[in-house]
Amino acid sequence: DAKTTQPNSMESNEEEPVHLPCNHSTISGTDYIHWYRQLPSQGPEYVIHGLTSNVNNRMASLAIAEDRKSSTLILHRATLRDAAVYYCILRSTGNQFYFGTGTSLTVIP
Amino acid sequence: DVKVTQSSRYLVKRTGEKVFLECVQDMDHENMFWYRQDPGLGLRLIYFSYDVKMKEKGDIPEGYSVSREKKERFSLILESASTNQTSMYLCASSVEGRGAFFGQGTRLTVV
Repeated sequence: DAKTTQPNSMESNEEEPVHLPCNHSTISGTDYIHWYRQLPSQGPEYVIHGLTSNVNNRMASLAIAEDRKSSTLILHRATLRDAAVYYCILRSTGNQFYFGTGTSLTVIP
Repeated sequence: DVKVTQSSRYLVKRTGEKVFLECVQDMDHENMFWYRQDPGLGLRLIYFSYDVKMKEKGDIPEGYSVSREKKERFSLILESASTNQTSMYLCASSVEGRGAFFGQGTRLTVV
């Protein structure tokens, strides 16, 4: 299964944009790129997903490299409530979600 | 809103007991998953199911079994609980091409 690589941790100041990177060099043509986040003591929460084009929703934006070997989750203005572990996942048509260890985001007031 | 409900938030069981973890979703999703989450290891897939009575092994199925008799319910079974199965267990459901929705998790302690 394709794997993703993310930094273990990142910090951001409150109300500044945050760019969370993810490398997925072995991605296949049918793999969707999904992002989830997990707040303390809660189950993971869906954030956004895409295949080839950049995507925007009310929570975040997803920028996908042209070769699809990397992607970036963009939080436009970080708030204290955005402090969480962010997971970048590749989902194939086999419908399986394989999580890594994610990036722990700390938001500094 | 999609709702994935796990029967217990916290559970304490004795070594050797048979343990049932229940998960129910209310959105008619075809796919359901069971994960366990341990510090430093992230979420690891135990089993998943893409239809009633269908199941597939994930990365770490040893010591576990599953049951899906109805579309909305996916049960994880620990046939004989052991202390190394102490963990947070997370259930999720999804449809093809969409994101997954997770339950709140069950923190199981085996003593």
